[in-house]
Amino acid sequence: IAGITQAPTSQILAAGRRMTLRCTQDMRHNAMYWYRQDLGLGLRLIHYSNTAGTTGKGEVPDGYSVSRANTDDFPLTLASAVPSQTSVYFCASSVGIGGAYNEQFFGPGTRLTVL
Amino acid sequence: LAKTTQPISMDSYEGQEVNITCSHNNIATNDYITWYQQFPSQGPRFIIQGYKTKVTNEVASLFIPADRKSSTLSLPRVSLSDTAVYYCLVAPPGSARQLTFGSGTQLTVLP
Repeated sequence: IAGITQAPTSQILAAGRRMTLRCTQDMRHNAMYWYRQDLGLGLRLIHYSNTAGTTGKGEVPDGYSVSRANTDDFPLTLASAVPSQTSVYFCASSVGIGGAYNEQFFGPGTRLTVL
Repeated sequence: LAKTTQPISMDSYEGQEVNITCSHNNIATNDYITWYQQFPSQGPRFIIQGYKTKVTNEVASLFIPADRKSSTLSLPRVSLSDTAVYYCLVAPPGSARQLTFGSGTQLTVLP
C-alpha cells in the first residue's frame, strides 16, 4: 500500500524556471491538498481539490497552479520559480474536506530550493 | 475563521502523561477539532479528532469542554519517540480554505 507518493524528493531550481511537483494517491480519496512548510513554521495551504475536476485556492496560492484531471493525481506547478518559493511541499489527501472528514494523509514531501 | 493558539514548546519525561491545550475561542458550531503529529522531515500524521466531550483511541485522548473554546490532547506515558511537533486544527465540513495548521507545539520528551 503506497498511500501518497510525491516526486521529486528534492530539487534545486534556478529562478525563473518552470517546475511541476507530482503527487499521486491510491486511496481513492476525493479531496487533495498542497501545503508548503517553511523552516520552523506550520503548514500553509496553497491549493486544494474537493474532487476530480475541481480546484480551489488556499491561504497562499500566488505563483502556483494546480489541476485535478483524475482522482489519483494532483500536480502543483510553479510557472516561474522565485527564491521565496524555497520550501518543503507536502501533498495530502482525505475522504472529504473538513469536519468529520478531516483525517488527512500526507506524502513524504518535496524539498525545493530556488536559487 | 477559528484561529488556534498553542504553547510553542513543552518538555516532559519518559513515562509521564502529557497534556497539550489548544485555544480556539471563536470556534463555530460546525467546526471539528483535529490533532496531528509531525516528526522532522516527515509529513504530519493524524492522531485524533473530536467534536465535543471526550474521544479516546489507541494513542491519545482528546478532551473538549462544553463551550468547545479549547481542547486538550492527552498523551499517556510518553516515550522518547513521542518527541515531535503537535498541531491543532479547527475546521468545518467542506471548507478547505480554513485548514490552517499554525505553528504547533514542540514536545520534547527527556529520558
